[in-house]
Amino acid sequence: GQQLNQSPQSMFIQEGEDVSMNCTSSSIFNTWLWYKQDPGEGPVLLIALYKAGELTSNGRLTAQFGITRKDSFLNISASIPSDVGIYFCAGQKSNFGNEKLTFGTGTRLTIIP
Amino acid sequence: EAGVVQSPRYKIIEKKQPVAFWCNPISGHNTLYWYLQNLGQGPELLIRYENEEAVDDSQLPKDRFSAERLKGVDSTLKIQPAELGDSAVYLCASSQQGGGEQFFGPGTRLTVL
Repeated sequence: GQQLNQSPQSMFIQEGEDVSMNCTSSSIFNTWLWYKQDPGEGPVLLIALYKAGELTSNGRLTAQFGITRKDSFLNISASIPSDVGIYFCAGQKSNFGNEKLTFGTGTRLTIIP
Repeated sequence: EAGVVQSPRYKIIEKKQPVAFWCNPISGHNTLYWYLQNLGQGPELLIRYENEEAVDDSQLPKDRFSAERLKGVDSTLKIQPAELGDSAVYLCASSQQGGGEQFFGPGTRLTVL
């Protein structure tokens, strides 16, 4: 099935650094979501975006819905050890309803001691 | 409030054997999803239920996979017979009817030998 393109695939950073990752699609989505998945657990929603150009923050996390509706970006400021994990973007065709999520391929974040 | 419950958490079987996974969604959530997550990939939808009705099963390989949600609450996903390529994590998620966040369970990790 379709998977959205995420980059980078993996990141190795030091604690305190800022992180940026992005997600692109060949088709338009009207909802963009960012999830984090820890080992042995299911994905947990971090931020939801519903409007092109929207910029939304959740603590140290900031995400943006691209104006073309074909991309989205996630930034993490001042990274801490608990930020380690895999980050997935997900797109949904509609702004409402329970249709499926199309996930990206993931960005694995590792913090170097 | 309890989250999405899945069992078993791990399952190891030999190829050609049958296997079943169980999911109990969050109380009051009418919509239930089964996703497949291959190693290093994001989840992909297999089937979506609205109450007891399967409203999107277009990605379910119907030759060997089946699912049921007889009373519109918990659900079972079955594979018969299992193949080596079925080794993956099977995630269940639920959401309220009409839209809203999809909450994921911890998944069942299947290994087919």
